[in-house]
Amino acid sequence: KNQVEQSPQSLIILEGKNCTLQCNYTVSPFSNLRWYKQDTGRGPVSLTIMTFSENTKSNGRYTATLDADTKQSSLHITASQLSDSASYICVVPGGFGNEKLTFGTGTRLTIIP
Amino acid sequence: DGGITQSPKYLFRKEGQNVTLSCEQNLNHDAMYWYRQDPGQGLRLIYYSQIVNDFQKGDIAEGYSVSREKKESFPLTVTSAQKNPTAFYLCASSIENAGTGWYQPQHFGDGTRLSIL
Repeated sequence: KNQVEQSPQSLIILEGKNCTLQCNYTVSPFSNLRWYKQDTGRGPVSLTIMTFSENTKSNGRYTATLDADTKQSSLHITASQLSDSASYICVVPGGFGNEKLTFGTGTRLTIIP
Repeated sequence: DGGITQSPKYLFRKEGQNVTLSCEQNLNHDAMYWYRQDPGQGLRLIYYSQIVNDFQKGDIAEGYSVSREKKESFPLTVTSAQKNPTAFYLCASSIENAGTGWYQPQHFGDGTRLSIL
């Protein structure tokens, strides 16, 4: 059964600090992995998509890494801002051309001033 | 601005009532999806449609129905058979990358929160 597990469940950090969120997946075959940001009461917004050949990808202060051998990904947020407070969801499709996605339960990040 | 519009934002259902959630997109995407989000759980797929007049059941289709008469629209009906309808419902759309079989990341609407009266 395809699974995506995220840790920690929740995280509280001070504004300006860095943090790293983790995602472990057991989805086969693997084609790509996506990170989404979901503000409270809103729909998820895509942050980055990583294919199996990519190790690192940045989007502003967000940097995602992927280790396809260990089936792990991380999302690193640099110099956090209050607007980073949200849930961050790791998502993996079922395989090539298969858009049935497996969603992690997300990490709830709270930035405090 | 292109995007997905879900309405209403909040909806209340009475016992034995069917309710319909609206989802409209102007992104010219072929594929559309409905998800249910419950606290502490990942999004779960209810139904999806890759072309007009065709749709497939997702993992939790029981108690729900959909139609896809137009490319832009994919309404979801929560029927009285769905005994636990209270949840946040999200509609999404995506487009295939030119014959590759790969899809762009799904674009989501801002959801409808459904509660029972």
